[in-house]
Amino acid sequence: DAMVIQNPRYQVTQFGKPVTLSCSQTLNHNVMYWYQQKSSQAPKLLFHYYDKDFNNEADTPDNFQSRRPNTSFCFLDIRSPGLGDAAMYLCATSRDIRMDSTDTQYFGPGTRLTVL
Amino acid sequence: AQTVTQSQPEMSVQEAETVTLSCTYDTSESDYYLFWYKQPPSRQMILVIRQEAYKQQNATENRFSVNFQKAAKSFSLKISDSQLGDAAMYFCAFKRSNDYKLSFGAGTTVTVRA
Repeated sequence: DAMVIQNPRYQVTQFGKPVTLSCSQTLNHNVMYWYQQKSSQAPKLLFHYYDKDFNNEADTPDNFQSRRPNTSFCFLDIRSPGLGDAAMYLCATSRDIRMDSTDTQYFGPGTRLTVL
Repeated sequence: AQTVTQSQPEMSVQEAETVTLSCTYDTSESDYYLFWYKQPPSRQMILVIRQEAYKQQNATENRFSVNFQKAAKSFSLKISDSQLGDAAMYFCAFKRSNDYKLSFGAGTTVTVRA
């Protein structure tokens, strides 16, 4: 089935040690998003790629970076994780940026990041 | 920025009964989309139902239906004949028609009692 896949599902890192989270999609969607979701809170958009164009949300810390080497894959890099970065990280895709009435965001299962 | 408010942090419903989740939003836009997403424990978020603001008819998807009151800026979700698999966190979300960004509410946790 076409889907959004995130690896790993659980990631443990040490304070200050760089970590990379992975997302892939078989939907051939143009747009990929990264969200941070802390416990029992709404997802918070960090950034998105529209094709190769990267768009950072204004309040996303510089500690968070992203790469999209091709249509299918997108990576979230946390350069120096702090304790406050422990969260669920959700990847999502949509066919187009404006998401008309036939489009929506499709979410992956998330990667739960623990920072020790 | 759009504000989406879900005033019920938690709701409990007996299996086979009906539960209604409330959502209000604040916008000056006339053309937008509203969504309800379901996030089960440790599972991915999925779209439950969508409503286009220009459509007066309320959207329905099987046991899920909405009551969209545009003037009141209200968008409630009704789950009929609740099943154990409906237990999840439900997020209401708003999107302007010409924008990419989803504005989420804080979520409502639904518990279904057997």
